[in-house]
Amino acid sequence: SQQGEEDPQALSIQEGENATMNCSYKTSINNLQWYRQNSGRGLVHLILIRSNEREKHSGRLRVTLDTSKKSSSLLITASRAADTASYFCATAGGSYIPTFGRGTSLIVHP
Amino acid sequence: DAGITQSPRHKVTETGTPVTLRCHQTENHRYMYWYRQDPGHGLRLIHYSYGVKDTDKGEVSDGYSVSRSKTEDFLLTLESATSSQTSVYFCAIKPEGSTDTQYFGPGTRLTVL
Repeated sequence: SQQGEEDPQALSIQEGENATMNCSYKTSINNLQWYRQNSGRGLVHLILIRSNEREKHSGRLRVTLDTSKKSSSLLITASRAADTASYFCATAGGSYIPTFGRGTSLIVHP
Repeated sequence: DAGITQSPRHKVTETGTPVTLRCHQTENHRYMYWYRQDPGHGLRLIHYSYGVKDTDKGEVSDGYSVSRSKTEDFLLTLESATSSQTSVYFCAIKPEGSTDTQYFGPGTRLTVL
């Protein structure tokens, strides 16, 4: 069964707006990662946040992690049409096997 | 793309036929993974490998077998394909020391009629 679950399943916004998607998980983790998948392509790693970190930034991406609530959020600021993709969170515990959620489908309208 | 290729990229086959998908990497990473991706299910792990001839089952391994006789190749075999195995299959690698970050191949779209 999947560890992480993204919310919402789908998100539609206008270019320039911010996009926020959330990930909830069930058991303790060592780290949590976010991936992007463009249509018809493989997943691409975006950012990793460790269990002892609360916030991390990478360009227009901001990731937060709340281990007490077992949740994470991914914020994309000033979105662009090129950000249109599906976004997945993946959680990893003690093994080398990340577990993926079902993803959030983001559409950014020009 | 971390030097990962998958072949074939597309395949249509009939129920009951054997199918082998190949994942090839050029950087001698130890960890390799096979996932399937289906609408509403996200990515689900089929099998993974942590070295030559060292493999283990994932969440949805029934109906699949794998082999890894060389570091660079990880083969996924459907012994007798069924329509429920129609899916997009992704291979991934994890570099050692990369704290679980995976790099994915471009995928193989398999249709079982």
